[in-house]
Amino acid sequence: KAGVTQTPRYLIKTRGQQVTLSCSPISGHRSVSWYQQTPGQGLQFLFEYFSETQRNKGNFPGRFSGRQFSNSRSEMNVSTLELGDSALYLCASSRPGLSTGELFFGEGSRLTVL
Amino acid sequence: AQSVTQLDSQVPVFEEAPVELRCNYSSSVSVYLFWYVQYPNQGLQLLLKYLSGSTLVESINGFEAEFNKSQTSFHLRKPSVHISDTAEYFCAVSDRVTDKLIFGTGTRLQVFP
Repeated sequence: KAGVTQTPRYLIKTRGQQVTLSCSPISGHRSVSWYQQTPGQGLQFLFEYFSETQRNKGNFPGRFSGRQFSNSRSEMNVSTLELGDSALYLCASSRPGLSTGELFFGEGSRLTVL
Repeated sequence: AQSVTQLDSQVPVFEEAPVELRCNYSSSVSVYLFWYVQYPNQGLQLLLKYLSGSTLVESINGFEAEFNKSQTSFHLRKPSVHISDTAEYFCAVSDRVTDKLIFGTGTRLQVFP
């Protein structure tokens, strides 16, 4: 069974640009969550999608957005990039209904903003 | 609202020594508790979890954690660490209603030979 796949693994952007990151969940997992990981802030919850609907949202500005497709694949977008957006962006999938909160993570997309 | 506190940002230890990584949580409802491990340049992997039942849970690689409701803690322990245990360890809590997972800030375990 394939794990959570994130693309691209690494990317470099400049301030003001926008970026789109992709996440393919484990087959059968319908929930996808996104986290931002930085050395200073740790893991910060961005948002969660289930059945193409945003179910939970963290405290990030509107420049951060996401969506989920009918096949459960998800994308997140960051517009007007700032230096502080440099981070490892982690995607995780899960199977709501088990009521455990257990997440399965991808290896992340490391974004560097210059 | 829930929160998780990992008091130690870094824990250096020599190989074969015991280690304890501390985790305290705050929640007004019943919770599930997790420890995740992140090896360099990788995503997070579930190490162990407490859902219900026995308060002592174990992982396949020798780690264990004990749920202490009165002290709202879920400390991670290993009696004898290996070099390969060097990684970042995250404690996490989710409530039984929203399934939303909240992470602590992580503890970097550095094992020296």
